[in-house]
Amino acid sequence: AQSVTQLGSHVSVSEGALVLLRCNYSSSVPPYLFWYVQYPNQGLQLLLKYTTGATLVKGINGFEAEFKKSETSFHLTKPSAHMSDAAEYFCAVSLNAGNMLTFGGGTRLMVKP
Amino acid sequence: GAGVSQSPSNKVTEKGKDVELRCDPISGHTALYWYRQSLGQGLEFLIYFQGNSAPDKSGLPSDRFSAERTGGSVSTLTIQRTQQEDSAVYLCASSYAGTGLETQYFGPGTRLLVL
Repeated sequence: AQSVTQLGSHVSVSEGALVLLRCNYSSSVPPYLFWYVQYPNQGLQLLLKYTTGATLVKGINGFEAEFKKSETSFHLTKPSAHMSDAAEYFCAVSLNAGNMLTFGGGTRLMVKP
Repeated sequence: GAGVSQSPSNKVTEKGKDVELRCDPISGHTALYWYRQSLGQGLEFLIYFQGNSAPDKSGLPSDRFSAERTGGSVSTLTIQRTQQEDSAVYLCASSYAGTGLETQYFGPGTRLLVL
């Protein structure tokens, strides 16, 4: 079975500051890794995903994440936060056989002006 | 269609009543998923459809929950004899073929409140 841990249920940054949202996973086999964003009263939108190949993955809205197998991590970063980045972010894993997504607990990002 | 749609967007019901939640996936997507998002439990997988069959029902929390999919398209999640702990946002997602590496596209959800 796989599991996902997101450190920090709430993260607050100033506009223009670095955004770092942490995600660690456990899995018996190499998983596929995803970051989704949820704006208030909306569904989840894919930011980026890692399947195979290059371990540094670039996504929408200037976000990127790096898969580090040795650390079982897939942390999400953005060099400079915008007010519009305020939302809840979910890290998720899936296995090819399992298909469904297993989500972390989510991190609510707040951006201060 | 342009995206996954769900109806109703909000549902308030009384304890003990049955409710039906509907999901229209993206046209051509063979895989369909139901998830539940609640304050206490976060985002939980409920059930997965490949076409009209459900190879994975492992996430359904009790036998009061059931789901079906007809014509390889629309899906209905039914909750019988609702309980207050069923209050949550029910999210539907679809993907093209249902492999683990595909993006799942989510609908806006149905917010269920059981009084």
